[in-house]
Amino acid sequence: DGGITQSPKYLFRKEGQNVTLSCEQNLNHDAMYWYRQDPGQGLRLIYYSQIVNDFQKGDIAEGYSVSREKKESFPLTVTSAQKNPTAFYLCASSISRGGYTFGSGTRLTVV
Amino acid sequence: KQEVTQIPAALSVPEGENLVLNCSFTDSAIYNLQWFRQDPGKGLTSLLLIQSSQREQTSGRLNASLDKSSGRSTLYIAASQPGDSATYLCASGAGYQKVTFGTGTKLQVIP
Repeated sequence: DGGITQSPKYLFRKEGQNVTLSCEQNLNHDAMYWYRQDPGQGLRLIYYSQIVNDFQKGDIAEGYSVSREKKESFPLTVTSAQKNPTAFYLCASSISRGGYTFGSGTRLTVV
Repeated sequence: KQEVTQIPAALSVPEGENLVLNCSFTDSAIYNLQWFRQDPGKGLTSLLLIQSSQREQTSGRLNASLDKSSGRSTLYIAASQPGDSATYLCASGAGYQKVTFGTGTKLQVIP
């Protein structure tokens, strides 16, 4: 079955550490996205990519970085510059004028 | 800038009741309107996608309608069940990264 796989499901980060969240899709979708969800708040766009080797900043890109070396993969790195990284992170993909498909999310906690 | 509003923020109904969730948007120049369900700690599951040329979509006990001229979409749930308890989000799409999410309606179906 086609879908989006996010890993790990839970991730713990120490102060000053960089961590990378994985997102893989086998839907052959062109575009991929990273969102952050905080309790009581809506989804906020971190980064998106429409094609391989190209990506754009979303509304809250500071402290995050991404790469898109393959169509299927769009990993997100949460750097030490992100001062409040504890949140639920969601990856999504889409085609032009199509709806979104989401992964199951990664919950990141700073310890 | 597109704004998507979902009212009410929370809804509690007895099992078996038919119910309607509302979604309103300010800019009618959209490609599609998508409804999602989110269970606690989980990703978003797509329920229905309505393209701008369509008026409604149906899946099982769910029916979603779209009225672009009035900037409204509704999600109708027939014969509600406790398993329908979740947060329901709508999202208007106007291009790859031009998707705006509502903040959701948290539904509780009481046995």
